[in-house]
This record gives sequence, structure tokens and C-alpha cells, in this order.
Amino acid sequence: EDQVTQSPEALRLQEGESSSLNCSYTVSGLRGLFWYRQDPGKGPEFLFTLYSAGEEKEKERLKATLTKKESFLHITAPKPEDSATYLCAVQAPGFQKLVFGTGTRLLVSP
Amino acid sequence: NAGVTQTPKFQVLKTGQSMTLQCAQDMNHEYMSWYRQDPGMGLRLIHYSVGAGITDQGEVPNGYNVSRSTTEDFPLRLLSAAPSQTSVYFCASRSNLETQYFGPGTRLLVL
Repeated sequence: EDQVTQSPEALRLQEGESSSLNCSYTVSGLRGLFWYRQDPGKGPEFLFTLYSAGEEKEKERLKATLTKKESFLHITAPKPEDSATYLCAVQAPGFQKLVFGTGTRLLVSP
Repeated sequence: NAGVTQTPKFQVLKTGQSMTLQCAQDMNHEYMSWYRQDPGMGLRLIHYSVGAGITDQGEVPNGYNVSRSTTEDFPLRLLSAAPSQTSVYFCASRSNLETQYFGPGTRLLVL
């Protein structure tokens, strides 16, 4: 069964304090791994898609990396506006659904 | 370009009532999906569609019906609401290029 586990559940950082969020996955043949950001009361907002081990993508202070078993979302010098829940999801070949993790709640304090 | 829109934003139902959650997208996407989000659980797929006239079940389809008569619209029907259906519902759409876009959500409370 396809599974996604995200850690930590919650993370509190000081502004400028870099850290990483983890997404471990078990899937029978990865078609894609997705990172989303979700603000309270809103729908998930797409950040990145990674397709193969070794792939990296960057957007502003965020950098996503992928191995055969996990993905990391690195946050460099975060700002309070980076506070949100970050969701990871995987898609297996031939399946239309995404399997989501439960997310990491990030709070960045000034 | 409005993206994915959902109505209503919030709804309160009594047990046994029926209702339809509306979802529309203006990106000409083939694929549309309905998810529910509950505390402590990841988003779970209810139903999905790969094109007009074609729908299929996700992992938690019981108590919900869908239809897809046009590319733009994908309504979700609750046949007889139950307290277990209290949740936040998200509609999503994507092209065959994988990136999935979510709507703002409908918060449903069933008493």
C-alpha cells in the first residue's frame, strides 16, 4: 500500500533559522512527488513536482530534493510569511490519485 | 482566469439532509477530483474524473455521488448527510502535465 509519512508534525523556527522538513514514502513505482503549501482556511497551493532521485527544485527560500525513499524541503533563512502547513504527496504510475501525508505545521517567529 | 472555484464556502446540514457541493474550473483541465481533509489525516480522495462523462471512485466514496456532464463542472452530492461527513472538502483539477490545482474548500458541518 502506498504511504507517505511527514516529519516533524510541527516545527517552530526563529526568523533566519534554516531547517528541513522530511517526507518519507513507500510507493510501487514513483510517478511524481509533490510539495504543497497550505495556509489556514485555504486550499493547498502547488510548490514543486519531483520525478526522479537526485532531482532538485528551488523557489525563493525553498528547495526540494528527492531520493529513492524520501524527499526534503529545505527552508533557508525563513521569514514569518513562510508559516504554513507543508504537504507532501506521491503518485504511482497508472493511478489518478495522490496519496498525501498529514503535513508539517511550520511557524516562523520574528 | 479564476482557476478552481467552489461553492458554498461553508454549510451546516442536519443528519439525513442532502446537498450538492459545486466545483468549477476554467483551465480546460481533463482531470478533476474531490478530496476531504480531516484533522490528523491526509487529504483523502473521494471521487475523480478523467474527462466529461467518466468518473471513478477514490478511497472513501461511500455516501457521495458525482457526475461530469461538462469539462468545467464536477459537483459532489451528499445523498443523506451523516455526522461522519463533517469535514473540509476540496476540489482539484489538473492537466495531463501532473500539476494539480486546488479550490478554496467547502467547510461542512453535519449535526
